[in-house]
Amino acid sequence: AQSVAQPEDQVNVAEGNPLTVKCTYSVSGNPYLFWYVQYPNRGLQFLLKYITGDNLVKGSYGFEAEFNKSQTSFHLKKPSALVSDSALYFCAVRDISRQNTDKLIFGTGTRLQVFP
Amino acid sequence: EAGVTQSPTHLIKTRGQQATLRCSPISGHTSVYWYQQALGLGLQFLLWYDEGEERNRGNFPPRFSGRQFPNYSSELNVNALELEDSALYLCASSLASYTEAFFGQGTRLTVV
Repeated sequence: AQSVAQPEDQVNVAEGNPLTVKCTYSVSGNPYLFWYVQYPNRGLQFLLKYITGDNLVKGSYGFEAEFNKSQTSFHLKKPSALVSDSALYFCAVRDISRQNTDKLIFGTGTRLQVFP
Repeated sequence: EAGVTQSPTHLIKTRGQQATLRCSPISGHTSVYWYQQALGLGLQFLLWYDEGEERNRGNFPPRFSGRQFPNYSSELNVNALELEDSALYLCASSLASYTEAFFGQGTRLTVV
């Protein structure tokens, strides 16, 4: 069965420092991987995706993610954090190898807190 | 271009009543997904509609149901509401199975 794990409930980082939000996945076929961000009382906003190709994916607001097949990971990164990056981040995986099972499976979310 | 729109924004119902939540996908998107985000429980997959058909459903009781209309908009119905149905219900749409899904702002359902 497909699944996503976000091992950290919360990540704290000082403004200006690099940040990493971790995600590992498990799928039977080829993974389609996504990162979303959620601000309080709002829906999810799409940040970036990995479908195929270059393992380093660049997305919105300066975020990037690195796909590592051997470690089954898709960590979200940003070179310099901003206070406004503070939000809830979700990793998601899609496994379309089986017909009619297509759905986005989300991790439990990681709260990012950036301190001034 | 308009994004995914959901209505109403907030909904307060009494236990035992029925709730109807609505979603309009991005123009051109044929797939609609429903998720429940209860406090502390992350996002739980509810239903997936594509081309008017229910393609998949999550581990929810039958009182959670829905449909997709010919214009690809969708409705989520929750019958016999229970207190634990209180949550943020999110709708998302996508162009195809391998593309990203875009989410609406959600409907906050409160059951009292």
